[in-house]
Amino acid sequence: AQKITQTQPGMFVQEKEAVTLDCTYDTSDQSYGLFWYKQPSSGEMIFLIYQGSYDEQNATEGRYSLNFQKARKSANLVISASQLGDSAMYFCAMSHLMDTGRRALTFGSGTRLQVQP
Amino acid sequence: DTGVSQDPRHKITKRGQNVTFRCDPISEHNRLYWYRQTLGQGPEFLTYFQNEAQLEKSRLLSDRFSAERPKGSFSTLEIQRTEQGDSAMYLCASSLATSGSPNTGELFFGEGSRLTVL
Repeated sequence: AQKITQTQPGMFVQEKEAVTLDCTYDTSDQSYGLFWYKQPSSGEMIFLIYQGSYDEQNATEGRYSLNFQKARKSANLVISASQLGDSAMYFCAMSHLMDTGRRALTFGSGTRLQVQP
Repeated sequence: DTGVSQDPRHKITKRGQNVTFRCDPISEHNRLYWYRQTLGQGPEFLTYFQNEAQLEKSRLLSDRFSAERPKGSFSTLEIQRTEQGDSAMYLCASSLATSGSPNTGELFFGEGSRLTVL
């Protein structure tokens, strides 16, 4: 069974500092994708970054980078130079094969990040 | 606005009533997903469509739940005989993806429909 674990229910960071949000996963799939989404208080899930299981380089998107350690099955999100607008819930997710051979996303329970001025 | 839109944004109903949610995906997207999110949890997959075909249903989707996407565009999610345990945010997402790819395609989510069952 596929599982995503986010062990940090809440995190605080000072504005302009970097923060790492942890994510570990468990899957028997050989090919899978890892995602991070941001959910502000408005409720909309916003895609941040994607890492393929065969990608050798860590993904980066602006201030977001994904620290992918395949052997440890971890996919931590690093946010550099935190901004007040980064305060939100952050979800790690993994695409996996369902019994039908099709793919779906499984989400972790999320980490609430609060950026302090 | 060309994003995913959901209606209504909020619904309060009494136990036993039926409710229906609508989702309008991004127009060129061929896949449409429904997720349910309860307080303090991540979204849980319910079902997905490729065009008008419902290709996958989670075990979470009891027989009181039915979803349709009749013309491969908008979708509806109906809950019959609502129960208090149905109270949640119902999220719709769409994507344009090729089959077999590990990247399901970036999912574009709507702002959700929050259901409260009294």
